[in-house]
Formats: sequence, C-alpha cells, structure tokens
Amino acid sequence: AQSVTQLGSHVSVSEGALVLLRCNYSSSVPPYLFWYVQYPNQGLQLLLKYTTGATLVKGINGFEAEFKKSETSFHLTKPSAHMSDAAEYFCAVSDRAGGFKTIFGAGTRLFVKA
Amino acid sequence: SQTIHQWPATLVQPVGSPLSLECTVEGTSNPNLYWYRQAAGRGLQLLFYSVGIGQISSEVPQNLSASRPQDRQFILSSKKLLLSDSGFYLCAWSTPGTDTQYFGPGTRLTVL
Repeated sequence: AQSVTQLGSHVSVSEGALVLLRCNYSSSVPPYLFWYVQYPNQGLQLLLKYTTGATLVKGINGFEAEFKKSETSFHLTKPSAHMSDAAEYFCAVSDRAGGFKTIFGAGTRLFVKA
Repeated sequence: SQTIHQWPATLVQPVGSPLSLECTVEGTSNPNLYWYRQAAGRGLQLLFYSVGIGQISSEVPQNLSASRPQDRQFILSSKKLLLSDSGFYLCAWSTPGTDTQYFGPGTRLTVL
C-alpha cells in the first residue's frame, strides 16, 4: 500500500524567502512522485514529477524537488517566494506496477507575506 | 490539445435531493477517468475511477455512484444527498499506461 504524508498543513514565508514544503511517502514498489498546485476554486495543475533518472526534478514557476530514496522524501523547494505562489500544494505518489491510481497527501497551504 | 470540462461550477442542493455532476474530456480517446472529493481543509479523496465505458471501480463506500455512458463522459450521481456530501468535486483524466493526471476546474457542492 502507498501513502503520502505532508508535514505542515500551513506554511508561511516572506516574499523573497526560501520555500520548503515537506513530503514523505511510503511505497512497496518504486514510486512515481508528483507535486500539484491548486489555486483557489480551481483544479490541480502538475508542478513536477519524478519517474526515473535524475533525482533532482525541475518544474514550472521555479520549483524543484529532490527524490531521496533513503529518506523516503520528495520535498518541494523554491529559492525565492513570490506572492503568486500562494496556493495549496499536494504531494502525490503512484504505483509503477500498473493501474496508476494516485494517492494524494492532505495538502499544504502556502501563504506568502509581503 | 486535450481539455476537460465539469459542470455545473457551483451547486447548492437540499438534503435528500438527487445529484448529477458531469465531466467530459475532449481531444483524447479511451482515457482513464477519476472522481475525487476535496472536503474543506482536507486532501483529495479518490471516489471512483474508470478504465473504460461501463467499467467503474469504487474506492470508498458511500451514497454516491458513478457511470461512464460514453468514452469521454463521466457522471457522478446520488439518489439522496447528505450534509456530509458537501465539498469540492474534481474530475481528472489520464492516458492509460502513463502517470500524470489532468484535472478539471471542479464543482463546488453545498448541501443544506
């Protein structure tokens, strides 16, 4: 069985500061890992994903995440927060073995202060 | 390019009334389709997924049902709504054999 834990339901940073959103996963098979972003009253958009290969994955809007198998983590970072980054972020894991059902974390709401 | 539509965008329904939410996908064939619910302050809960017409898998027992009458149409229904059915309902699709899901704009359902 797979699961995802996002540490911190709310994170607040100042504009220009580092953004760090934490995600740990559990999977009995090699995972596919994702970060999605959701702006208010909208659907989710894919930020980035890890499938195979390079463990540091770059996504849209300056975000990146690093797959660390030994730590079962896939934390999302951005060097400098912008006001437009304020949104809810979801980490997700899916199963490579087939079916491609994706398990989502509970989400972390990012607040950006001016 | 592919697009996904959901309607209505918002809905207010009394307890005990029926429900029908519709999702359609354009620009792709034989997609995997998904219904999720997002309750206030909580993550996404997978409700149903479908790998083909008439093929529905239910993830959570509840008073909701899903149907897929056409290849690119996915409907979420209920005969009698409960207060606990309030939430944000998201439809998504993916290409079979691939990993990324693409989400619709969602339907905000309020049951009073």
